[in-house]
Amino acid sequence: GQNIDQPTEMTATEGAIVQINCTYQTSGFNGLFWYQQHAGEAPTFLSYNVLDGLEEKGRFSSFLSRSKGYSYLLLKELQMKDSASYLCAVRKGGKLIFGQGTELSVKP
Amino acid sequence: GAVVSQHPSRVICKSGTSVKIECRSLDFQATTMFWYRQFPKQSLMLMATSNEGSKATYEQGVEKDKFLINHASLTLSTLTVTSAHPEDSSFYICSARTSGGNEQYFGPGTRLTVT
Repeated sequence: GQNIDQPTEMTATEGAIVQINCTYQTSGFNGLFWYQQHAGEAPTFLSYNVLDGLEEKGRFSSFLSRSKGYSYLLLKELQMKDSASYLCAVRKGGKLIFGQGTELSVKP
Repeated sequence: GAVVSQHPSRVICKSGTSVKIECRSLDFQATTMFWYRQFPKQSLMLMATSNEGSKATYEQGVEKDKFLINHASLTLSTLTVTSAHPEDSSFYICSARTSGGNEQYFGPGTRLTVT
C-alpha cells in the first residue's frame, strides 16, 4: 500500500519563507510531484523530483530524500496569492497517489 | 501548450439520471487520461486510468458500471456518472499525459451536484 502524510494546515506571513513537508511510504516509487491548488480549481504543477536533492525554480524549491521517504516544498518571499492547498503526490507506475494536501494561509 | 479542457464546468442533475463529463487535450495527444474525484477539503482520489482504445482500469472501490469511462481518441475521454445519487456530488477532475511523459496536465474540473 501507500501512505503519504502532510500537515493539514500551515500559516505564514507575507514575505517570509515556509517549508511544507511530505513523508511517504510506498512500494514502486517513481518520482514525487508538488502541485498547487486554489479552491475550486484544478491543481497546477510546481515541481518534480525523481533523484535525491534540491530542485529550484524561482521562489519555489523542492527537496527529495528517497532513503528517508521525505520531501519538502520551500516557498520563499511569500505573497498573498500563495494562499492555497499544496499537494504532494507520489508516482507509482503510471499513477499519481496524492497526499491529503496542506492548506497554506499567508497573512499580511 | 499542454492544455486540458473539461466540459461542463458545472452541472446539476436529478437523482437517478446520468451525466457525461468530457475531458479534452487541446494541443497534444494524450495516450493516457486519468479521472479523479475530490470531496470538499480532501485530496484528489484517483478513480480510474484510461488508455486510448482500451478499457479503463478502475481503482479499488470504484464501481465500473456506475462510472463509465470511454477514451475513444487521443484527445478525448468521457466519464459518465450513471444513476447519479446525491453522494456522487463532487468535484471531478481529469488529467492527461503523453506517451512516455512524466507530467500529468490537469483539466479545470467539473462540479457535479446531484439533487
